[in-house]
Amino acid sequence: TQLLEQSPQFLSIQEGENLTVYCNSSSVFSSLQWYRQEPGEGPVLLVTVVTGGEVKKLKRLTFQFGDARKDSSLHITAAQPGDTGLYLCAGDRTGTASKLTFGTGTRLQVTL
Amino acid sequence: EPEVTQTPSHQVTQMGQEVILRCVPISNHLYFYWYRQILGQKVEFLVSFYNNEISEKSEIFDDQFSVERPDGSNFTLKIRSTKLEDSAMYFCASSARRQALHFGNGTRLTVT
Repeated sequence: TQLLEQSPQFLSIQEGENLTVYCNSSSVFSSLQWYRQEPGEGPVLLVTVVTGGEVKKLKRLTFQFGDARKDSSLHITAAQPGDTGLYLCAGDRTGTASKLTFGTGTRLQVTL
Repeated sequence: EPEVTQTPSHQVTQMGQEVILRCVPISNHLYFYWYRQILGQKVEFLVSFYNNEISEKSEIFDDQFSVERPDGSNFTLKIRSTKLEDSAMYFCASSARRQALHFGNGTRLTVT
């Protein structure tokens, strides 16, 4: 079983703070995706990282894929209440995203 | 923006009954998936489908489960004889190309 462990599980911060969420595994992945899920909705894809060491930026969100393609991080700068949600990483070992392994999730709450 | 739609949003059934969960993927997408999320647990892969056949399936997807694309627009998941442990949120997803999955908002299945 390929496990993707996310940390922290829960994070409650104030608006304007920075935070980092980690996604770790002992398995190598062809690619890794980050999703955000809001209550009552399906996960929404934020980014896909493919190359070891790759860094992608999406406005205030910075995603990094580890050099060995076993781990990833999501850094949010100057968090806003709109960033509140469940952040999920999902790894692909098939190379075709035909079977994603999802992480345990990080629930982020950003308060005013 | 086109979206994946799932019906019903909530299905209650008795143990041993058959259920069919319906999904309308985004119209030009070629790859289709079912995932499920038991309450409080992580999202789990069930099955992927391409070119009218199953590409990958998980250990969860046993003989009680089947998928079908009966026409050009619908993608269904059938559970032949539901068990209590089948209670979960079931998410359909589709993609035009691999690695860019679009999820629906899910069907909450409650087996009593």
